[in-house]
Amino acid sequence: NAGVTQTPKFQVLKTGQSMTLQCAQDMNHEYMSWYRQDPGMGLRLIHYSVGAGITDQGEVPNGYNVSRSTTEDFPLRLLSAAPSQTSVYFCASRILSGGASYEQYFGPGTRLTVT
Amino acid sequence: AQTVTQSQPEMSVQEAETVTLSCTYDTSENNYYLFWYKQPPSRQMILVIRQEAYKQQNATENRFSVNFQKAAKSFSLKISDSQLGDTAMYFCAFMKWTSGSRLTFGEGTQLTVNP
Repeated sequence: NAGVTQTPKFQVLKTGQSMTLQCAQDMNHEYMSWYRQDPGMGLRLIHYSVGAGITDQGEVPNGYNVSRSTTEDFPLRLLSAAPSQTSVYFCASRILSGGASYEQYFGPGTRLTVT
Repeated sequence: AQTVTQSQPEMSVQEAETVTLSCTYDTSENNYYLFWYKQPPSRQMILVIRQEAYKQQNATENRFSVNFQKAAKSFSLKISDSQLGDTAMYFCAFMKWTSGSRLTFGEGTQLTVNP
């Protein structure tokens, strides 16, 4: 299993540009989520999904869109990049319920800089 | 809403010694999970240890153990025989015991192990 993969690893955008961060998992996990990591603030939840076709907002959803058309993929779209979105972004997945104790598996992260 | 607090932004320890990282949380839930994640300089998030709130026995994983005090809402991580490879950011995290629950992270503690 490749686990959770994210592309790209690094990205520089200009203010106002749009882009999509890709996330895929091959563990058949129903639950997928996106976090941003900023110094001194831990990881904050942006959006999450409990299955194909179902998404919901987390703590800091403004400026981001998501969709979940398949179990495997959960892309994060930045509609109009702002310097405040400079951060490291993590995608994660886990089983939804039952079985193991809800361990969340993380991708390697994407470092995004908006100038 | 749940909150997780790590009051030690930075800590250091000598190789082979023992160090304890603190974490407190606030919740009205009775059933939940607690986690410690490690983030080395590679940026990858790695699960260190988990604790189910209904279990009175403290979780242990090799050199890592926790002191879970449910009434005090405290969940500290003890690292014994510290190694240089333990140098990392450590995050405490909370999750309710229901499917679809989100993971809430603390701010993180940067641990440096000195030779």
